[in-house]
Amino acid sequence: GQNIDQPTEMTATEGAIVQINCTYQTSGFNGLFWYQQHAGEAPTFLSYNVLDGLEEKGRFSSFLSRSKGYSYLLLKELQMKDSASYLCAVREDAGKSTFGDGTTLTVKP
Amino acid sequence: DTGVSQNPRHKITKRGQNVTFRCDPISEHNRLYWYRQTLGQGPEFLTYFQNEAQLEKSRLLSDRFSAERPKGSFSTLEIQRTEQGDSAMYLCASSFGGSSSYNEQFFGPGTRLTVL
Repeated sequence: GQNIDQPTEMTATEGAIVQINCTYQTSGFNGLFWYQQHAGEAPTFLSYNVLDGLEEKGRFSSFLSRSKGYSYLLLKELQMKDSASYLCAVREDAGKSTFGDGTTLTVKP
Repeated sequence: DTGVSQNPRHKITKRGQNVTFRCDPISEHNRLYWYRQTLGQGPEFLTYFQNEAQLEKSRLLSDRFSAERPKGSFSTLEIQRTEQGDSAMYLCASSFGGSSSYNEQFFGPGTRLTVL
């Protein structure tokens, strides 16, 4: 079956770097997405990986290893506004995406 | 700029009643998705349209759920004979599906359903 695992909660300090890991086992793979979701709001797109390696986008970077079924999201220079849930999602085919349950990140001063 | 919109934003209903939600995607997007999300969990895929065709439906979706996208623009999701377990946030997303596999989904604000 489909399985996406990510830590439930993480805490980090403002200005620091945090890495959120995601491992997946899905029947298909057509790309991995990371989304940010603030409480009570809709998810918003952060990054996309389909080939192995690192994609950098400002303070956010995402890494993918397809052979290991592993990805991470790296957040640098943490700000208080980065406190949110971070969702790892695997697109299995043209339509269906399977989401993890999210990692709630708390940034402390 | 109009992103993905959903109506209503909140719906409270009694068990056994039928409810219908509407989603208006970004106008140039040909793909539309419905998800359900409960507290502490990620969005769960329900169904997906490309234009007016419903191409995929989750096996977890009971026969009480039906979705349509009659003209390939807006979509409706109907839940018949609601149960308390249907209480959740129902999210709609849209994307442009082209030859590239990079098809970012844009989410609407969701409809929060409470079944009493």
